[in-house]
Amino acid sequence: GAVVSQHPSRVICKSGTSVKIECRSLDFQATTMFWYRQFPKKSLMLMATSNEGSKATYEQGVEKDKFLINHASLTLSTLTVTSAHPEDSSFYICSAREKDAPQYFGPGTRLLVL
Amino acid sequence: GESVGLHLPTLSVQEGDNSIINCAYSNSASDYFIWYKQESGKGPQFIIDIRSNMDKRQGQRVTVLLNKTVKHLSLQIAATQPGDSAVYFCAEIYQGAQKLVFGQGTRLTINP
Repeated sequence: GAVVSQHPSRVICKSGTSVKIECRSLDFQATTMFWYRQFPKKSLMLMATSNEGSKATYEQGVEKDKFLINHASLTLSTLTVTSAHPEDSSFYICSAREKDAPQYFGPGTRLLVL
Repeated sequence: GESVGLHLPTLSVQEGDNSIINCAYSNSASDYFIWYKQESGKGPQFIIDIRSNMDKRQGQRVTVLLNKTVKHLSLQIAATQPGDSAVYFCAEIYQGAQKLVFGQGTRLTINP
């Protein structure tokens, strides 16, 4: 149980294009989903917290217009990197949590912007 | 600010030995702790959790110890195997908060 999937697992795009990453909780209803970014050999950096049906809460320094988050249902959240640039290249990981349960993470999406 | 930190960034152990990974936290209001394992190129995997009303919890080959007096958390892995090679993160959450605070991670390597 407690499986979280992400799609795509890897994406390469040209600078200036937008990329959408999906995060799904497969066997539970995620009241809260989180999006993280991870640089090589570093810990996870929280980007935003998303409650179903509400606007996401972004961490300080994360541009909400750049990283659009939608959490339209209890099993799906999307992160759209708009007008991507090479500095947006990173490993993006989502996690999901049912009320009062641990956070479970997706497998991650590696984004490379050329 | 408040943070969760780890004593050592790397740990090497012999295959078959027990591993102990340590974590210090500074927020005395934290009441829930989780250990995650992250293999290269993958997302963190839940290992074990513990609430602040407990001081020890055991899983399969893993034990988490919590010492609230000195704000210290440890993960013990028994009979370490090659498949245990990964980066281990501790994470804390304090009452009423939604988000986890992660430590920097400890890389565990297994010597044959």
